[in-house]
Amino acid sequence: AQTVTQSQPEMSVQEAETVTLSCTYDTSESDYYLFWYKQPPSRQMILVIRQEAYKQQNATENRFSVNFQKAAKSFSLKISDSQLGDAAMYFCAYRSGDTDKLIFGTGTRLQVFP
Amino acid sequence: KAGVTQTPRYLIKTRGQQVTLSCSPISGHRSVSWYQQTPGQGLQFLFEYFSETQRNKGNFPGRFSGRQFSNSRSEMNVSTLELGDSALYLCASSVGLAYYNEQFFGPGTRLTVL
Repeated sequence: AQTVTQSQPEMSVQEAETVTLSCTYDTSESDYYLFWYKQPPSRQMILVIRQEAYKQQNATENRFSVNFQKAAKSFSLKISDSQLGDAAMYFCAYRSGDTDKLIFGTGTRLQVFP
Repeated sequence: KAGVTQTPRYLIKTRGQQVTLSCSPISGHRSVSWYQQTPGQGLQFLFEYFSETQRNKGNFPGRFSGRQFSNSRSEMNVSTLELGDSALYLCASSVGLAYYNEQFFGPGTRLTVL
């Protein structure tokens, strides 16, 4: 069975600084996708960034980028130029290639200080 | 385009009762998934539906059931409620079975069982 592990329950960062959230996963599949979701205090889950396992290039979305290390089964999220609005729970998620089922990590609560 | 809507937003029930939660996906989306979110267990997958067919089911007892209608709207039902069923129930929709599906989440239904 696939598992997703987020070892950092809480992280904090100063506004305008950079922070990296860690995620590791375990799978024997070759076709899968990885995601970072953001859940602000209002509770609506929002997709931040996604990575296809077959792509070697790390995904980037504006201030958000990932470091995808397939052999190490690691998928970290880097947030550059942190903003107060980045404060939220961040969930790492895994999805097999043939389903919509997401397997989530336990989440990392990110605090951003002015 | 309207987002994923879930009704009701809040619900209070007592042990032994049953409850039905509703999810209306984004127009044109044919896949709907349900998740249970609790502080202790995190986000756990419940069901996945596509074109009125259940494609996947999570590891939940038979008291949890669901269905999808021809207009892609989905309902989930929990019978004989237990205190441990108190949770935020999230619904997510996507276009369909494309490998690059992005799932969009609703705001959730907060269920409290007394």
